[in-house]
Amino acid sequence: RKEVEQDPGPFNVPEGATVAFNCTYSNSASQSFFWYRQDCRKEPKLLMSVYSSGNEDGRFTAQLNRASQYISLLIRDSKLSDSATYLCVAAPQGGSEKLVFGKGTKLTVNP
Amino acid sequence: SQTIHQWPATLVQPVGSPLSLECTVEGTSNPNLYWYRQAAGRGLQLLFYSVGIGQISSEVPQNLSASRPQDRQFILSSKKLLLSDSGFYLCAWSVGGNADTQYFGPGTRLTVL
Repeated sequence: RKEVEQDPGPFNVPEGATVAFNCTYSNSASQSFFWYRQDCRKEPKLLMSVYSSGNEDGRFTAQLNRASQYISLLIRDSKLSDSATYLCVAAPQGGSEKLVFGKGTKLTVNP
Repeated sequence: SQTIHQWPATLVQPVGSPLSLECTVEGTSNPNLYWYRQAAGRGLQLLFYSVGIGQISSEVPQNLSASRPQDRQFILSSKKLLLSDSGFYLCAWSVGGNADTQYFGPGTRLTVL
C-alpha cells in the first residue's frame, strides 16, 4: 500500500467553483501534514500546514481525520491562478527527515 | 528572511559523465538539508538528508552521493551518470531539530542522454 495516496486527477473546474481533494495516509504514527502546490516545472511551495483537526487560510481549508487517516483540501471560489498540482505530505512523529509525499492532484481552473 | 539557491537550473549531460549540483541556504543557521528527485510522472523521492556538517543519511542506494562541506551548503554528486538519473532535483531545508516544514529551492532539471 502506498504511504500517501492521492487521486491524480486531473480536476477541471470552472472559475468560481469549489473543489475538494482527498488524501489518505497509511502510517498511523504520522503527526503532521502539509499541502504544497507545485506549478509546472517549478518547485513545490508550502500552501498549508495541518497539525490538529484542520486549518483555514482564506479560500483554502484543510481538514484532518485521524480516525479514517485522510486529509482533505477544499478550495472555494477557484481562481485561474489556482491551477497547479497539489501535493499531500505526511510527517511521522519525531522529525522531518521522513516526509512522505503523495504524487499530487492536478487542478485546472478554466475561464 | 531565508532563501535557498540551486544551480545550475538546467543541465544536459551524457551517460557516464560526472555530476555536481550545488545548493546553498541563506538567512538561517544549522538547517536540516535535503536532496529530492522528482522523475516525470512520479512523486518526490528523498535521496539524502543532513542534520549537520559532514552528516549525511542516504535513503536510496544508487550511484549518487551527497556532501555537506559547510553549514549551509549541500552538494549532490555522481561519478558516472545513468540514463535513469534524469529528473528534477530539488534541494530543501528545514529548521534544525524536530521542525518538519520544508522549503524547496528552485530545482535543477537534469537530462542524461
